[in-house]
Amino acid sequence: AQTVTQSQPEMSVQEAETVTLSCTYDTSESDYYLFWYKQPPSRQMILVIRQEAYKQQNATENRFSVNFQKAAKSFSLKISDSQLGDAAMYFCALRGTNAGKSTFGDGTTLTVKP
Amino acid sequence: EAGVAQSPRYKIIEKRQSVAFWCNPISGHATLYWYQQILGQGPKLLIQFQNNGVVDDSQLPKDRFSAERLKGVDSTLKIQPAKLEDSAVYLCASSLDPPGTQYFGPGTRLLVL
Repeated sequence: AQTVTQSQPEMSVQEAETVTLSCTYDTSESDYYLFWYKQPPSRQMILVIRQEAYKQQNATENRFSVNFQKAAKSFSLKISDSQLGDAAMYFCALRGTNAGKSTFGDGTTLTVKP
Repeated sequence: EAGVAQSPRYKIIEKRQSVAFWCNPISGHATLYWYQQILGQGPKLLIQFQNNGVVDDSQLPKDRFSAERLKGVDSTLKIQPAKLEDSAVYLCASSLDPPGTQYFGPGTRLLVL
């Protein structure tokens, strides 16, 4: 069984500052992928960043980066230079490589204050 | 490149009625997913297709939910009869293959009264 836990239901950050969203997971698979998705209010879910578990190097996408700690089963998202458009619900997700089954956390609502 | 299309966008029905949702994945994507997202929660996988075969339907309430993907392209998800607790957003997603990045459609928001 796979589980994904996001322990912060809500977070807020001042515009231009940095915020870190937490995610822990559990899986019995040796190879898997981890994702962060962004879901703006009433809008489509889009991929923010993806990490292959076999890669030790942390993924980065512009202002978004992850801190992947495989032994601790931790996968946090850091947003630098926060912008008003970053306000959304953020979901952490885990996908095994065998059948590709995805498990999502319950999300963290991020508010960006001007 | 066209994204994942879903229809309808909104649906309001009374309990015990039936409803169907339609999904057209990105062209060439072999894997198609249906998720249920209840307000305040993360998406829960209902069913996963690889081409026109079912890979995982372990969380699909089979007494009332059914899904098909004829010809390995479009897919429909049906609820019959609907219950109040089925009120949720139903998301369709597709990927080139199972480990690939999932692309989500806009979702269908269902309200059961």
